[in-house]
Amino acid sequence: DQQVKQNSPSLSVQEGRISILNCDYTNSMFDYFLWYKKYPAEGPTFLISISSIKDKNEDGRFTVFLNKSAKHLSLHIVPSQPGDSAVYFCAASAPNSGNTPLVFGKGTRLSVIA
Amino acid sequence: EPEVTQTPSHQVTQMGQEVILRCVPISNHLYFYWYRQILGQKVEFLVSFYNNEISEKSEIFDDQFSVERPDGSNFTLKIRSTKLEDSAMYFCASSEGTLGDTQYFGPGTRLTVL
Repeated sequence: DQQVKQNSPSLSVQEGRISILNCDYTNSMFDYFLWYKKYPAEGPTFLISISSIKDKNEDGRFTVFLNKSAKHLSLHIVPSQPGDSAVYFCAASAPNSGNTPLVFGKGTRLSVIA
Repeated sequence: EPEVTQTPSHQVTQMGQEVILRCVPISNHLYFYWYRQILGQKVEFLVSFYNNEISEKSEIFDDQFSVERPDGSNFTLKIRSTKLEDSAMYFCASSEGTLGDTQYFGPGTRLTVL
């Protein structure tokens, strides 16, 4: 039951270019979406979030776009830096439905090449 | 910057033994969560806890699991009789509130059941 899907297990990008990580979801009750970054042997680190009332949220080099009709969100990192190399997880929840557990995708491993 | 802490970082136990995983959530947070990640799989929700009681739990969180907030700072996950398939990274998370609040994760405890 993959309610949150990250179809690309890995992505390689040159330093300075844009990284685009994609995520699709199936549950129309989801109304809050988050991106986490994870290094090996560490816990997920919160990056950026977006609620369903918005279609874009920006924080420095990170921008998340939400397309509710397509049930798709993406994370843009520009410019990409070698320190961005990590596994990126998309997560979703339905807090307005009283359901707060996060549902995670399988993750995309980003490699930024210097 | 406040952070969620977890101890121990690695726990090795024999099948059938009881283990207690410990977490100190961020101090002004009111909601606490346990997630786990079996090697190579997604991060999965186990249980959420608010106001000294379980607010939600997944089907993974069966009778062998329990959670407790024994004092004002610690939040624990007990596995009564460990099985081989309980081997995983266990992540604690906390958030200020529930509606759209970000969950912040600890570094995890790697549980190895032999």
